[in-house]
Amino acid sequence: QKEVEQNSGPLSVPEGAIASLNCTYSDRGSQSFFWYRQYSGKSPELIMFIYSNGDKEDGRFTAQLNKASQYVSLLIRDSQPSDSATYLCAVKSPGNNRLAFGKGNQVVVIP
Amino acid sequence: SQTIHQWPATLVQPVGSPLSLECTVEGTSNPNLYWYRQAAGRGLQLLFYSVGIGQISSEVPQNLSASRPQDRQFILSSKKLLLSDSGFYLCAWPRASGGTGELFFGEGSRLTVL
Repeated sequence: QKEVEQNSGPLSVPEGAIASLNCTYSDRGSQSFFWYRQYSGKSPELIMFIYSNGDKEDGRFTAQLNKASQYVSLLIRDSQPSDSATYLCAVKSPGNNRLAFGKGNQVVVIP
Repeated sequence: SQTIHQWPATLVQPVGSPLSLECTVEGTSNPNLYWYRQAAGRGLQLLFYSVGIGQISSEVPQNLSASRPQDRQFILSSKKLLLSDSGFYLCAWPRASGGTGELFFGEGSRLTVL
């Protein structure tokens, strides 16, 4: 089982709609969870982090964490063409200096 | 302010040639540095991390090596490149000391091995 899995294929959403991305992780002891956005040809940039169960909102982005089910999700409200990118989920386990990343999900916002 | 720089940004190398990628951080108070690779169609793979000068941990066996000659400098090297070494190499560091865990990335170095 991979440490972090993002299984959905490319996601196409119309402008103004909600984009929903999911991520599951294998280490039940994981404590910190991150979402990165990566534009084509660029390096990843951090957009959200979450540590506690529940929702965390930051502008049009909402991260949701469910530790019992071992998944974390990202919602993008009022999607804009500038949100078209690949979104990477990352997880940090306790006592570990590194982040484990999923393969990413590509989001295409259609004007 | 804290910044991280990588160079070269892009390079094309023949199989069997050597490689040197450099990463420099400025203003950071956290000594940890990381090299990740993103190959086509694959996720970010941790290659090396360093907690200080001369201290390197390798995550996967490969023909790459890393060195930390100075606190703010992290170098990725190879003596003989393979086709499978092609990818986007990213240097990263946890800008915030104190262990929240998030990493921040440099601009990356895109390597094509022909």
